Amino acid sequence: NAGVTQTPKFQVLKTGQSMTLQCAQDMNHEYMSWYRQDPGMGLRLIHYSVGAGITDQGEVPNGYNVSRSTTEDFPLRLLSAAPSQTSVYFCASSFAANSPLHFGNGTRLTVT
Amino acid sequence: TQLLEQSPQFLSIQEGENLTVYCNSSSVFSSLQWYRQEPGEGPVLLVTVVTGGEVKKLKRLTFQFGDARKDSSLHITAAQPGDTGLYLCAGANTGNQFYFGTGTSLTVIP
Repeated sequence: NAGVTQTPKFQVLKTGQSMTLQCAQDMNHEYMSWYRQDPGMGLRLIHYSVGAGITDQGEVPNGYNVSRSTTEDFPLRLLSAAPSQTSVYFCASSFAANSPLHFGNGTRLTVT
Repeated sequence: TQLLEQSPQFLSIQEGENLTVYCNSSSVFSSLQWYRQEPGEGPVLLVTVVTGGEVKKLKRLTFQFGDARKDSSLHITAAQPGDTGLYLCAGANTGNQFYFGTGTSLTVIP
């Protein structure tokens, strides 16, 4: 029962570097999303997708790109990392929009 | 924009005590969910409430959705150390998005 798998678990980047956070789910869920979690601010939505080939922006999309070429995968790309992007990133999926979310275990990213 | 405010932000209580966590907003939501998150893990769903005034019970946890569907509360009876964690409320709007609250960190001391 893999559920939602995120890699890597930890990552350190220098300012200006780029990287991709991977997210895969094996539950055939149509809806996938990315959140960042910062102390005292709960979870904030970065981007989401309601199905393969469809993506949309959430609350805090600047500095991040996403694509959804398959139902299973929803990678998050940081184009040019900044210290303000230091955070814990969570990928989540659900059967449909507004259905209960299933979360991965997160990627802790530090940008120096 | 933080649409959902939770209170208190931190709560430390003795085992056996009761507690209530509040989740308030000025926005109306089509449904509201409560999640619990433990260190190093993602949030896990506890309950979904959909109807204004709805009350749901999950063992020692009681969840209520406000009549106007703008607020919710979580009441824990006789808290146990296993209840320790971060509690998050999340409201769903009609635009395929969830808005999460600021979170309540609960510590239950044995």
